[in-house]
Amino acid sequence: NAGVTQTPKFRVLKTGQSMTLLCAQDMNHEYMYWYRQDPGMGLRLIHYSVGEGTTAKGEVPDGYNVSRLKKQNFLLGLESAAPSQTSVYFCASSRPDWVQGYTFGSGTRLTVV
Amino acid sequence: EDQVTQSPEALRLQEGESSSLNCSYTVSGLRGLFWYRQDPGKGPEFLFTLYSAGEEKEKERLKATLTKKESFLHITAPKPEDSATYLCAVQASSSNTGKLIFGQGTTLQVKP
Repeated sequence: NAGVTQTPKFRVLKTGQSMTLLCAQDMNHEYMYWYRQDPGMGLRLIHYSVGEGTTAKGEVPDGYNVSRLKKQNFLLGLESAAPSQTSVYFCASSRPDWVQGYTFGSGTRLTVV
Repeated sequence: EDQVTQSPEALRLQEGESSSLNCSYTVSGLRGLFWYRQDPGKGPEFLFTLYSAGEEKEKERLKATLTKKESFLHITAPKPEDSATYLCAVQASSSNTGKLIFGQGTTLQVKP
């Protein structure tokens, strides 16, 4: 049972480049989330989805887009990367009752130069 | 504004030296309070969910408690393998989307 899988694990981008972070879960969870983690800032919610075909903005959505075409996948896109988007990105999924909280992926470390 | 504050930021203990981590929260109605453990280079790992004041949960050397304003994570006779960053998060009762508000974490180092 893989849980939540994120790809890639590391990436370096030049300012202005675009990329997509992939997240896949095999637990049949309804809800999925993208967070970023920065030193001294904690985990902050970027976007989330409560089901296939639905997405919504979180706390820090600017500069990011998401899509959830299939229940098991949640994609995070950066259209034009900026140095301020240098961070560690975590995908998470959960059941609708959140009894066991989130299951997190292992993260993507992104550096924008 | 909903907010979570954890203290201390960092804690160094000798193996076997018990202590507590604090999580203070301000939320417009609490649906749940969550504790996670995060090892370097990895994603947070779920530990506990607490729902109401007075509730307690235990797992090995860890015990989490909850009051109306704060939660404590008690670590009894810690071992070096307990070294990690411990994150606290709250979910407001007004949220039906699972959004969690995280504290900045407490980094625990246990020396042998």
